[in-house]
Amino acid sequence: EAQVTQNPRYLITVTGKKLTVTCSQNMNHEYMSWYRQDPGLGLRQIYYSMNVEVTDKGDVPEGYKVSRKEKRNFPLILESPSPNQTSLYFCASSLSIGGETQYFGPGTRLLVL
Amino acid sequence: GQQLNQSPQSMFIQEGEDVSMNCTSSSIFNTWLWYKQDPGEGPVLLIALYKAGELTSNGRLTAQFGITRKDSFLNISASIPSDVGIYFCAGQYTGNQFYFGTGTSLTVIP
Repeated sequence: EAQVTQNPRYLITVTGKKLTVTCSQNMNHEYMSWYRQDPGLGLRQIYYSMNVEVTDKGDVPEGYKVSRKEKRNFPLILESPSPNQTSLYFCASSLSIGGETQYFGPGTRLLVL
Repeated sequence: GQQLNQSPQSMFIQEGEDVSMNCTSSSIFNTWLWYKQDPGEGPVLLIALYKAGELTSNGRLTAQFGITRKDSFLNISASIPSDVGIYFCAGQYTGNQFYFGTGTSLTVIP
């Protein structure tokens, strides 16, 4: 089944403790992206990648890192999480290198205390 | 960052009624997209628009790419209970970055 998977689905952590949210797709998609969703703000793009070893900043990249060492995986790293990074995070992928038809994962709900 | 103004913020309608929502931007977009999000799930793409003036349908859904390239509209005809959810517009202009609207929450009363 074609899908985008994220792990973990729920995470509670404390300020400053490094964490990684994994994202994997099995559709051989070129484009992958991370978003955060906050009430009243919709989805905001954090980082995106158009191919292996090619990543670029989205609208709200501060406090986040990503890597794209393999085509299928695009982990999101929070080196020193802060409470304002409490949010619902979505990974997405698209066959189109421009990212127009993105398939979203199920989301990861993060709480930073 | 780029702001997309989506309206209305929420709608309560009777089953069978038609629905209209729209999205405006201060910048020109090359692509407009419409997504639906069900509770506890990620957004699902409904319609993609690539050209100014384009009108595209997907079943009971119809979306248009505004002539000015700064707006887009989504219409749902003859609404049914499973149309309930949050609808997002999204736009793309330079590069491969995407901007989303704040969403329209739709409630359909049987």
